Amino acid sequence: QQPVQSPQAVILREGEDAVINCSSSKALYSVHWYRQKHGEAPVFLMILLKGGEQKGHEKISASFNEKKQQSSLYLTASQLSYSGTYFCGTGGGATNKLIFGTGTLLAVQP
Amino acid sequence: AAGVIQSPRHLIKEKRETATLKCYPIPRHDTVYWYQQGPGQDPQFLISFYEKMQSDKGSIPDRFSAQQFSDYHSELNMSSLELGDSALYFCASSFYLSPRALEQFFGPGTRLTVL
Repeated sequence: QQPVQSPQAVILREGEDAVINCSSSKALYSVHWYRQKHGEAPVFLMILLKGGEQKGHEKISASFNEKKQQSSLYLTASQLSYSGTYFCGTGGGATNKLIFGTGTLLAVQP
Repeated sequence: AAGVIQSPRHLIKEKRETATLKCYPIPRHDTVYWYQQGPGQDPQFLISFYEKMQSDKGSIPDRFSAQQFSDYHSELNMSSLELGDSALYFCASSFYLSPRALEQFFGPGTRLTVL
């Protein structure tokens, strides 16, 4: 089953914060976050492997609640370069194929 | 740093024709994944290879086949193309034995247009 992301789309002004949520109906072993700009390849942001784990990458961080089968991506003080579609992906298992979430379109305006 | 290479970057075909997409993983990477992304959709897993053997299979039509060669590059062969095959096709690679084995590095994609 495909992870569901919320919100579907969000518009921000530069400097504002945003949270993107990813929920799965199946147990999560790992959560991957990617950002994709239109027509380009998904760019790896971070991976979370343990329940409760939080990781940070510049002003972008994420948390993983294994019990609730949820992950959240936090973007603080957003910049124009943050614009794009954000995907969570559930991986792990023997082959680590990624099942991507429904995606969240983020637009940062000046 | 070397990245995943895909060729061609753009491909235009007629219905019922065949197409071959190529993927050259990052040096030393032994695992290749193929994903298909339709317009406005999320990437969908097609097939993966580890050490030249198919390791997993997703929603790949029977008209498609793929393999990984001894130099670890992979090819996705698509026959009897249909309009619905028009999409971005991404290849991703990873190195199974590295501490970052779960990270997949995506290539720039091949945009296939079927007319």
